[in-house]
Amino acid sequence: AQSVTQLDSQVPVFEEAPVELRCNYSSSVSVYLFWYVQYPNQGLQLLLKYLSGSTLVESINGFEAEFNKSQTSFHLRKPSVHISDTAEYFCAVSEVNTNAGKSTFGDGTTLTVKP
Amino acid sequence: DTGVSQNPRHKITKRGQNVTFRCDPISEHNRLYWYRQTLGQGPEFLTYFQNEAQLEKSRLLSDRFSAERPKGSFSTLEIQRTEQGDSAMYLCASSFLGGYTFGSGTRLTVV
Repeated sequence: AQSVTQLDSQVPVFEEAPVELRCNYSSSVSVYLFWYVQYPNQGLQLLLKYLSGSTLVESINGFEAEFNKSQTSFHLRKPSVHISDTAEYFCAVSEVNTNAGKSTFGDGTTLTVKP
Repeated sequence: DTGVSQNPRHKITKRGQNVTFRCDPISEHNRLYWYRQTLGQGPEFLTYFQNEAQLEKSRLLSDRFSAERPKGSFSTLEIQRTEQGDSAMYLCASSFLGGYTFGSGTRLTVV
């Protein structure tokens, strides 16, 4: 069975500072990895995904995540955050042998960007 | 593409009553998922369909929960004899090749 641990439940940072949201997973087989974002009063949206190929994946709004198989991690980073990045972020994993079927989610990290 | 649509947005029901939620996925997506989310936790898997076939159902799901996806289009999730512990946000998502598109959810309150 797969599982996801998001190591920080809350991350407060100042605007224009760098941020890293940590995600570790556990699985006995190969995985696909995802980050989702939930802005205040909105639904969950896919932010970025790792399916295969380059282990570094990027989103359109400046976030990136790197798949590290040896450390079973998929940490999310941004070099300079904006107030508008304030949201809850969820890491998720799917097993490759299910062809990206069921995903298991972490409990989320609340990112608060302060002016 | 109008996204994933869920109805109703909110449902308040008395304990012991049955409730049914509807999800209309993105038409090109062959997979449809139901999740449940409570405050402070991530979405918890309930069940998923590929076309009209229900491929997996969570062992955490009691027999009071049932889902259908007739003709591989919209899906319904029914909860029979609701309990206060069923109060949560019920999320529907659809996908084609990895990565979900979520609906806005149905918030169920059991009083």
